[in-house]
Amino acid sequence: GQQLNQSPQSMFIQEGEDVSMNCTSSSIFNTWLWYKQDPGEGPVLLIALYKAGELTSNGRLTAQFGITRKDSFLNISASIPSDVGIYFCAGQTEGSQGNLIFGKGTKLSVKP
Amino acid sequence: DAGVIQSPRHEVTEMGQEVTLRCKPISGHDYLFWYRQTMMRGLELLIYFNNNVPIDDSGMPEDRFSAKMPNASFSTLKIQPSEPRDSAVYFCASRPGVTGNTIYFGEGSWLTVV
Repeated sequence: GQQLNQSPQSMFIQEGEDVSMNCTSSSIFNTWLWYKQDPGEGPVLLIALYKAGELTSNGRLTAQFGITRKDSFLNISASIPSDVGIYFCAGQTEGSQGNLIFGKGTKLSVKP
Repeated sequence: DAGVIQSPRHEVTEMGQEVTLRCKPISGHDYLFWYRQTMMRGLELLIYFNNNVPIDDSGMPEDRFSAKMPNASFSTLKIQPSEPRDSAVYFCASRPGVTGNTIYFGEGSWLTVV
């Protein structure tokens, strides 16, 4: 079946550092989404991307839809302690009936 | 606006008991999804519905699991009989349409089977 490879699995960084994570797929996607999950909560949408090459920002977060349509990255600049959580990428392939495929997540820890 | 509402938030039950998880999707959303999350396997899609009709249930682990969506504002996921390996967080999510829209998650139902 289709899979998303998300990396890294976990990151331990110092407050103020920038963070980068990415997802790659063997399939072409027409939508890429990035979610964040806080402990004890459900995933919350951060950024949605719908077009190859699209670069979108949400505050300190920036995400891009890869030109090949098989990858996406998420950057967090100047990390703060509340950035702690698990970040998931998700994508939808053409022809799928609305379902998303999720990566396994990147667990981010920020040391004050 | 109210988001996806799930109940119960937490449940502890004994092996062999029936478990029913409930979900109210966001009003107007055509798609409803049930996911299971564990440390080992991450987020797994169990089943999803479009306009109350099950579209893909290939992720349902076995016959002990069943899901229904009797109307546009309510869905249940039932496990009978429950087993310890069913312990996980179960998320319900909804989505307004297919193109250019995103999935919105509920806060999850945290199930422990002892």
